[in-house]
Amino acid sequence: QQQVKQSPQSLIVQKGGIPIINCAYENTAFDYFPWYQQFPGKGPALLIAIRPDVSEKKEGRFTISFNKSAKQFSLHIMDSQPGDSATYFCAARGGTFSGGYNKLIFGAGTRLAVHP
Amino acid sequence: DTEVTQTPKHLVMGMTNKKSLKCEQHMGHRAMYWYKQKAKKPPELMFVYSYEKLSINESVPSRFSPECPNSSLLNLHLHALQPEDSALYLCASSQATGSYNEQFFGPGTRLTVL
Repeated sequence: QQQVKQSPQSLIVQKGGIPIINCAYENTAFDYFPWYQQFPGKGPALLIAIRPDVSEKKEGRFTISFNKSAKQFSLHIMDSQPGDSATYFCAARGGTFSGGYNKLIFGAGTRLAVHP
Repeated sequence: DTEVTQTPKHLVMGMTNKKSLKCEQHMGHRAMYWYKQKAKKPPELMFVYSYEKLSINESVPSRFSPECPNSSLLNLHLHALQPEDSALYLCASSQATGSYNEQFFGPGTRLTVL
C-alpha cells in the first residue's frame, strides 16, 4: 500500500511531441503528489505538484492530471524539447507527521528522451 | 538562495575507512533529509531531521551515522561500509511547519566503496 507504480520505464518522443507518464497508488492517505525531474549527475528538482482536491494543474508546458477515484495521476509535457530529456519521478507524500516534514514515496522513474 | 550544497562531489573509500558527507542550506529550513539513490532507481529515504532532532530512521544500518550540528548543516558519517553501499547520496531540506512543503535536493555525493 506504500507503493507508487510508475510507467512507462522509458519513453522516446520526437521534438514537439507530448510524452505522458502515468502513476498509480493504493493508499488513500496520500495527500500530496509532486513530480521531480532529474538530469544525470544532478539531484532531483521539483517540477510541479498537485493535491487530490484538484483534477488538473498546469505550469508552463507541464500539466498534471489527477483522477482521485481511480487513484491515478499523470504528467503531460506539451511541445517537448530535447532539453526535457531527463528522468522523471512521480511521488506521493505518505503519512502525517507532527513535524510538518514530508516523507516522499517515489515511483520507479521514467527515462525520457526527446529527439530533435 | 534556494540551494542545497553537498561536499564532496565524489568520494572513494575502502571498507575500513571512516569518512563524512556534508550538506548545507541557508534557506532557513528546519527539516533536513538524507536519501540514497542507486543507479536507475528512485531516491530512498534514509533519515529525517526536524529542528535538529532525528525524527525518522528508515532502519538504516549503524555503519551510517547522521548528525545535525545546527539548523544549516547535516552530516552523514560513514564507517566500515560495504561495496553495495556505493550510490549517490542526496541531501534535501524543506520547511518543517505547514503543509505541502517542497523538498529541495542537493546535487549529491557519488560514493564508491572498494
